[in-house]
Amino acid sequence: GDSVTQMEGPVTLSEEAFLTINCTYTATGYPSLFWYVQYPGEGLQLLLKATKADDKGSNKGFEATYRKETTSFHLEKGSVQVSDSAVYFCALIRDNYGQNFVFGPGTRLSVLP
Amino acid sequence: DARVTQTPRHKVTEMGQEVTMRCQPILGHNTVFWYRQTMMQGLELLAYFRNRAPLDDSGMPKDRFSAEMPDATLATLKIQPSEPRDSAVYFCASGLVRQGSTEAFFGQGTRLTVV
Repeated sequence: GDSVTQMEGPVTLSEEAFLTINCTYTATGYPSLFWYVQYPGEGLQLLLKATKADDKGSNKGFEATYRKETTSFHLEKGSVQVSDSAVYFCALIRDNYGQNFVFGPGTRLSVLP
Repeated sequence: DARVTQTPRHKVTEMGQEVTMRCQPILGHNTVFWYRQTMMQGLELLAYFRNRAPLDDSGMPKDRFSAEMPDATLATLKIQPSEPRDSAVYFCASGLVRQGSTEAFFGQGTRLTVV
């Protein structure tokens, strides 16, 4: 079945450091890929998405590129802030009727001032 | 600003009691998901509906959990009887699942504690 794998956390960085959170997936066909973010005490919020190979999703300084050849969708940000501290989830959905979202286990990011 | 609304936000109940969680999806969305989140298991899909029809509830313990969509504006998740191991945050999400454009929007969750 479909699955999403993320790098183990927690990830601890200093403010203004470069961030990479790795995500790889297994799915048949051509899934859409997502990054969601969960701040403490909140639900998940869509951060960015990409619907086809080579698409780049971007939002709030975060970027991720849909790489079909490596089945990856790594999240990057050039300079993290304390306010980016949260749990980040990679997810996919196959664009077929009847499919549901498959989430990775989440990666906790802590950014220190 | 359209959003998914879940009630209650917090619920503390005694073991054996019935618990009902409610979700109001975003108007026009055709899919509703129920997820459970715990530290140990992460996000687990319990059930989801497409156009109010249940498509998959294989993630739910059938003997005690039930999910319904009595109408397009309300989804419910019921636990009867509740057990301490059901303590978790339960999220509802709604989305418009279609070819080429799909997103899921999450509610703020119901934090359930069964004592």
